[in-house]
Amino acid sequence: AQKITQTQPGMFVQEKEAVTLDCTYDTSDPSYGLFWYKQPSSGEMIFLIYQGSYDQQNATEGRYSLNFQKARKSANLVISASQLGDSAMYFCAMREGLDSSYKLIFGSGTRLLVRP
Amino acid sequence: NAGVTQTPKFRVLKTGQSMTLLCAQDMNHEYMYWYRQDPGMGLRLIHYSVGEGTTAKGEVPDGYNVSRLKKQNFLLGLESAAPSQTSVYFCASSQRPASGTETQYFGPGTRLLVL
Repeated sequence: AQKITQTQPGMFVQEKEAVTLDCTYDTSDPSYGLFWYKQPSSGEMIFLIYQGSYDQQNATEGRYSLNFQKARKSANLVISASQLGDSAMYFCAMREGLDSSYKLIFGSGTRLLVRP
Repeated sequence: NAGVTQTPKFRVLKTGQSMTLLCAQDMNHEYMYWYRQDPGMGLRLIHYSVGEGTTAKGEVPDGYNVSRLKKQNFLLGLESAAPSQTSVYFCASSQRPASGTETQYFGPGTRLLVL
């Protein structure tokens, strides 16, 4: 079973509007972390935001926020005021606390295109 | 501060050839990882290391070997390349995530084409 599911292969958003990228996860580990990465066309992986399973508040980093709904096992990324430079692939990833490797498990990604 | 660097950036191999990908980090990180990224998929873990002299298998280890002789370097070897190993390879490193917030830092990637 997939542990990280991103159901939107591609999305469009108008410049200056907000957009939500979906991510659901599956784990029985009570301690876990959720990450979002951006991969522009140049290929590098850029860390955006982190949410811990015990965090009481949703994480925010500038224009990025994470809508964390623990009971529904979802960790959606919200980008406010989209910019042309936000066009990229976005990956949701999870790290399970009981896994001593601390490896990241990635979803298949969502390609976001910001229209001018 | 270079962060995580990977050598080479791009390589073309013929089936059956061997090569080594080098990853180097200057952040004194304990943990290092090799991932591969195939079209339409996220990154999948090949091998990882939790410290100098230690390595372990990840999700897709077949056809690859690794070594971590120095803390700052993590080598990925392909003994006999196959077309199925055509991919983009990412190296990453991190501290032990004691507080949970530590992200992995990624290298720029190596594009490998096996003909």
